[in-house]
Amino acid sequence: SQTIHQWPATLVQPVGSPLSLECTVEGTSNPNLYWYRQAAGRGLQLLFYSVGIGQISSEVPQNLSASRPQDRQFILSSKKLLLSDSGFYLCAWSRPAGYYNEQFFGPGTRLTVL
Amino acid sequence: GQQVMQIPQYQHVQEGEDFTTYCNSSTTLSNIQWYKQRPGGHPVFLIQLVKSGEVKKQKRLTFQFGEAKKNSSLHITATQTTDVGTYFCAEASGGSYIPTFGRGTSLIVHP
Repeated sequence: SQTIHQWPATLVQPVGSPLSLECTVEGTSNPNLYWYRQAAGRGLQLLFYSVGIGQISSEVPQNLSASRPQDRQFILSSKKLLLSDSGFYLCAWSRPAGYYNEQFFGPGTRLTVL
Repeated sequence: GQQVMQIPQYQHVQEGEDFTTYCNSSTTLSNIQWYKQRPGGHPVFLIQLVKSGEVKKQKRLTFQFGEAKKNSSLHITATQTTDVGTYFCAEASGGSYIPTFGRGTSLIVHP
């Protein structure tokens, strides 16, 4: 069966500090991978998606970046965090396009920037 | 992805009352998915509808896809406190990598 892992679960960082969130998927190959951000009580904002190693598409211009160094690893980074980067970060995977492509979400990382 | 509008944003009900959330689009949807996010948790896939007029049931939950494939609804019969959470609809065309989520409906059930 497939599983998706995200860490850390919670993170408190000062403004201007760097960020690295990691997501890994097990039990599937060549998944589509996604990073979402959810502000408190709000909907899901798609930040990045990837259809393969080294292939990253950005949906929203910001000071965040994403990388996919391995097939089942997706990393979200920032060189300098802003207060507005606080939120709930969710990684998700789906099967490649053309199949029933429901999203499977990881447990998320709650980021607070102070 | 296409725009999907979800209403209402919030819904308070007494335990035992029914609940419905609606997802609407101005254009034809290829499919519709529904997710549930418990407070403090992550979205969990519930179901996908593909066919015009399709109706699917999961215990007390009934999902419908409109005949014109421009709207969908999720109906919960006799709500329970375990139904509390935010329900999202999403459209994810088979040829697109980018899903479009509605803004969600938060259900609050008062015991």
